[in-house]
Amino acid sequence: GAVVSQHPSWVICKSGTSVKIECRSLDFQATTMFWYRQFPKQSLMLMATSNEGSKATYEQGVEKDKFLINHASLTLSTLTVTSAHPEDSSFYICSASPSGGAGPYNEQFFGPGTRLTVL
Amino acid sequence: AQTVTQSQPEMSVQEAETVTLSCTYDTSESDYYLFWYKQPPSRQMILVIRQEAYKQQNATENRFSVNFQKAAKSFSLKISDSQLGDAAMYFCAYRSPYSGGGADGLTFGKGTHLIIQP
Repeated sequence: GAVVSQHPSWVICKSGTSVKIECRSLDFQATTMFWYRQFPKQSLMLMATSNEGSKATYEQGVEKDKFLINHASLTLSTLTVTSAHPEDSSFYICSASPSGGAGPYNEQFFGPGTRLTVL
Repeated sequence: AQTVTQSQPEMSVQEAETVTLSCTYDTSESDYYLFWYKQPPSRQMILVIRQEAYKQQNATENRFSVNFQKAAKSFSLKISDSQLGDAAMYFCAYRSPYSGGGADGLTFGKGTHLIIQP
């Protein structure tokens, strides 16, 4: 159980176009999902927290108009990179927390990530 | 804001030996959660072990154990009987307690690349 999927796993796009990445919790409902970005050989940086039915909360320095997050259902959150540029090329990872918590640790389950390359 | 520091960019250990990865953190909270995650070349994040700050007993999961020193804000990971499959990036992570208003995201350290020498 507790499987999180991401689609696509790898995407290449031209500069100036928009790309949508989906994050799905396959066997549980997730009130909260998180989006992280990981540059090559670097750590994961939290970009935003996505709450079902409400606006996402963005971390300082993350442009909300560039990284649009929608969490329309308890099993799906999407991240849209608008007007992508080469500097947006990165590995994007989502995680999901089961609704009501998952024990005392309120564990987060990670998706396999999406590699975005902007040409 | 919380910070997590991993001072060892890379560690190398002989197969079957023991290795310890260090992690320190800074926080003003009294209760929190600490995690070690493994990220193999596939990039899938895998939870290795976790510890709740108010629990004094160090967590253990098979060959993996932690040395949690709350006063020193230290959370090291010990891997015993290292295996080739343990080779990966290891990230230490911090999370604030679940407040009921929603879960908090994780704050990660920069990671330690663990190499297993056969």
